Amino acid sequence: QKEVEQDPGPLSVPEGAIVSLNCTYSNSAFQYFMWYRQYSRKGPELLMYTYSSGNKEDGRFTAQVDKSSKYISLFIRDSQPSDSATYLCAMRGGSSNTGKLIFGQGTTLQVKP
Amino acid sequence: GAGVSQTPSNKVTEKGKYVELRCDPISGHTALYWYRQSLGQGPEFLIYFQGTGAADDSGLPNDRFFAVRPEGSVSTLKIQRTERGDSAVYLCASSLPGQGRNEQFFGPGTRLTVL
Repeated sequence: QKEVEQDPGPLSVPEGAIVSLNCTYSNSAFQYFMWYRQYSRKGPELLMYTYSSGNKEDGRFTAQVDKSSKYISLFIRDSQPSDSATYLCAMRGGSSNTGKLIFGQGTTLQVKP
Repeated sequence: GAGVSQTPSNKVTEKGKYVELRCDPISGHTALYWYRQSLGQGPEFLIYFQGTGAADDSGLPNDRFFAVRPEGSVSTLKIQRTERGDSAVYLCASSLPGQGRNEQFFGPGTRLTVL
């Protein structure tokens, strides 16, 4: 079993829809949770990160972390065709010795005009 | 430059050959990371440098892989006796230290193909 599980999709939605992307994880030591967006043949781009449980909002994006369930989500409101990309969740522990990120497989999202 | 740069963007080599992949981090970023991404998968951690030293090399798959960062800036990932299974996109990222490690900035990657 992988440490981080993410449904690869693909997920197809109409423009303007609310999108929900999710990851589950097994390692209770993870403290920091990130969401990256990756366009085809490009490097991942950080959207946002959260520490421990709770919500964080940035424009049309909201990240949620539920550590008790080992479950994280990214919500995209008013989705746009330019949001079409692969979304990767990533996480790391609180150890001071490493910056190692563990990534999910990525979910491919297509927003249709 | 403003972002992380990687060279070459593409590399095709033959099985058994030696390759070097280069990463130029964002100026001032003391932390540098290498990841490998296979088709349809998320990036997989290889190694993390803080300054010139490898603080965590737990992701290097075997002793054919080696990375250096002699002056604490540019890094080179070296792969000896390449195998077809090494074909992937090799991503480099950099960040500030401490809590800055939660904001890793990735380069465009080097696409390695081993024939």
